[in-house]
Amino acid sequence: AQKVTQAQTEISVVEKEDVTLDCVYETRDTTYYLFWYKQPPSGELVFLIRRNSFDEQNEISGRYSWNFQKSTSSFNFTITASQVVDSAVYFCALGSNYQLIWGAGTKLIIKP
Amino acid sequence: EAGVVQSPRYKIIEKKQPVAFWCNPISGHNTLYWYLQNLGQGPELLIRYENEEAVDDSQLPKDRFSAERLKGVDSTLKIQPAELGDSAVYLCASSSRWGGDTDTQYFGPGTRLTVL
Repeated sequence: AQKVTQAQTEISVVEKEDVTLDCVYETRDTTYYLFWYKQPPSGELVFLIRRNSFDEQNEISGRYSWNFQKSTSSFNFTITASQVVDSAVYFCALGSNYQLIWGAGTKLIIKP
Repeated sequence: EAGVVQSPRYKIIEKKQPVAFWCNPISGHNTLYWYLQNLGQGPELLIRYENEEAVDDSQLPKDRFSAERLKGVDSTLKIQPAELGDSAVYLCASSSRWGGDTDTQYFGPGTRLTVL
């Protein structure tokens, strides 16, 4: 069975702190994709990153970075020097056979 | 490039009334998805289209929900009659089968449905 677990339901930090959102997945497929999406209070799901199963290179984009480790089936997301505008619900998703399996989401609250 | 367009953004209806949602995907995207999202949860797939063909409608409650994508571009999702439990956000997404961005789904702003 395919599954995505985001164990952190809600995280609250003070602005400028670093924060890591955890994502653990389960799949028997050898080829798959992993995604992170951001859903701010406005409600639109915004695509952040996609990683292919054969590409374990970590990625950095500005204050965002992603750590993909197949050995632990994890695809964690770190925000460095968080800002109030980062407040949102973040979803991790597993893509395989044209389907997306979604985690339950982590609500991130950045306090000024 | 324009993103996925959905209308209306908000809809309030009374139970047993019909309602329809419209979606226009990103230009050139042949795959279109309709999702339902309840508060505090991730999206749940209702139906997936490849061009004009519904290739996965296993989660669509066919007794009251219907969808169409007649020309393989824009799509309409209909509920008739609506029930109280249908109150949710209805999301449309699209993706391309070609290029390095294959199968990455891009979402529209959603339609928030309230059934009274």
